[in-house]
Amino acid sequence: EVQLVESGGGLVEPGGSLRVSCAGSGFSLSDYAMHWVRQAPGKGLEWVSSITSTSTYMYYADSLKGRFTISRDDAKKSVYLQMSSLGPEDTAVYFCARDRGTGALDLWGQGTMVTVSS
Amino acid sequence: QSVLTQPPSVSGAPGQRVTISCTGSSSNIGAGSDVHWYQQLPGAAPKLLIFGDMNRPSGVPDRFSGSKSGTSASLAITGLQAEDEADYYCQSYDSSLSGSSYVFGSGTKVTVL
Repeated sequence: EVQLVESGGGLVEPGGSLRVSCAGSGFSLSDYAMHWVRQAPGKGLEWVSSITSTSTYMYYADSLKGRFTISRDDAKKSVYLQMSSLGPEDTAVYFCARDRGTGALDLWGQGTMVTVSS
Repeated sequence: QSVLTQPPSVSGAPGQRVTISCTGSSSNIGAGSDVHWYQQLPGAAPKLLIFGDMNRPSGVPDRFSGSKSGTSASLAITGLQAEDEADYYCQSYDSSLSGSSYVFGSGTKVTVL
C-alpha cells in the first residue's frame, strides 16, 4: 500500500526540541520532493518546509525563523523535521506530504500531533 | 493573514453548483504559479482535488473542476452531494522580494443544506 506514516509527536515544554519523522512505503520515496505542512487546532493549513528529491535544496516558511530543519534518509525511506525553540504557536498536527510536481501534494500522512505546553 | 484569500464558507442544496474563489496577487497566482486545490474531511488529512489549475488526479469525480484567471482561481463543485461537506483549500507558490514559499489559502467550509 502506498502510504506515509508520521511519528514522533507529543508534549514538549516551551523552548524545547522535538523531531518528527515520516516513513514512506509502497513507492520510491527518493524520486520525490517532500513537504511538511501543519495545522493548528481549528485553524487552516500552513506550509512549513520542503526538501528536493536529492536533498540539494531545502525551503522553509519565513515565520519559522530558522528554528526548523528538514532532512531525509532515502535508505530508510524517511523524511524528518527537527524543531527547536518551540513555542505554544507551534502546537499543531504536522503532516508530511509527497510532491507530484510543482508543489501539488498528492499523498499525505495521517499527521502527528505536537503540543507545546508547560 | 493568508496570502491567498478564500471565502470562509459557502453552502448549497444537494444537486446545486457552488464555487469557491481563491484571490491572490501578482506575486503568486498572477505570476503564473500553479494553483492546487485540496479537500479536507473532518478529522482527516487533506486530499488533492485539483492540480495545475484544472487537472484532476485519478479517482476524483468530474463534478470538481478548477479554473484560473488573472490573480484569482476558482473551484467549482457541480451536482453537490452530502459527502462534499468539507473544508477546501487552495495552494500556490509565492515569490516576492521578501522571499519565496508555498502558500495555502485561508480555507472555505462547504455546507450541504
